[in-house]
Amino acid sequence: DQQVKQNSPSLSVQEGRISILNCDYTNSMFDYFLWYKKYPAEGPTFLISISSIKDKNEDGRFTVFLNKSAKHLSLHIVPSQPGDSAVYFCAASYNNNDMRFGAGTRLTVKP
Amino acid sequence: DAGITQSPRHKVTETGTPVTLRCHQTENHRYMYWYRQDPGHGLRLIHYSYGVKDTDKGEVSDGYSVSRSKTEDFLLTLESATSSQTSVYFCAISEAREYGYTFGSGTRLTVV
Repeated sequence: DQQVKQNSPSLSVQEGRISILNCDYTNSMFDYFLWYKKYPAEGPTFLISISSIKDKNEDGRFTVFLNKSAKHLSLHIVPSQPGDSAVYFCAASYNNNDMRFGAGTRLTVKP
Repeated sequence: DAGITQSPRHKVTETGTPVTLRCHQTENHRYMYWYRQDPGHGLRLIHYSYGVKDTDKGEVSDGYSVSRSKTEDFLLTLESATSSQTSVYFCAISEAREYGYTFGSGTRLTVV
């Protein structure tokens, strides 16, 4: 039972354009959502998060949007850079003990 | 300044043998986690710890056990390795979920 879903295994965008990565969840108890970035042969690194009491959180080029009624969140990267090429994982939790991850989306930013 | 290290980085073992993976942290974080990463599944929680000697099961705990005798060390043991346990294993630490998890570099385990 995959409670966090990333339906796009891959995404390719041109440098300088916007990248939009999507994530859906099924468990209405989730109240904290995070995005992680992963390069090959490394562990995931925390990128940005959002609490369920907000609908937007911004950090530099990265913005996360949360639509609770649709159980959907998205990560926007503007402008996209070649160094952003990585696998992005969406994650959700309702306590400190159990964070659920999506399957990941591989982003490729072309120069 | 990694703060979290996993050992070994790579291991090949035979079916039926016991295997122990180690996670060591220098951050004094309360929470520690073991995840496995497989294609199409993302990261799935195996076991977690919320303090010394306090551990609990995650969503894919069958065939795995853990121990945490010190704050800094969290061991994952495969009592009798099977080919389905071939995977990349990640350890993570956290003080609180609001700050995200810090992951180790992973252990690539191959069971032949």
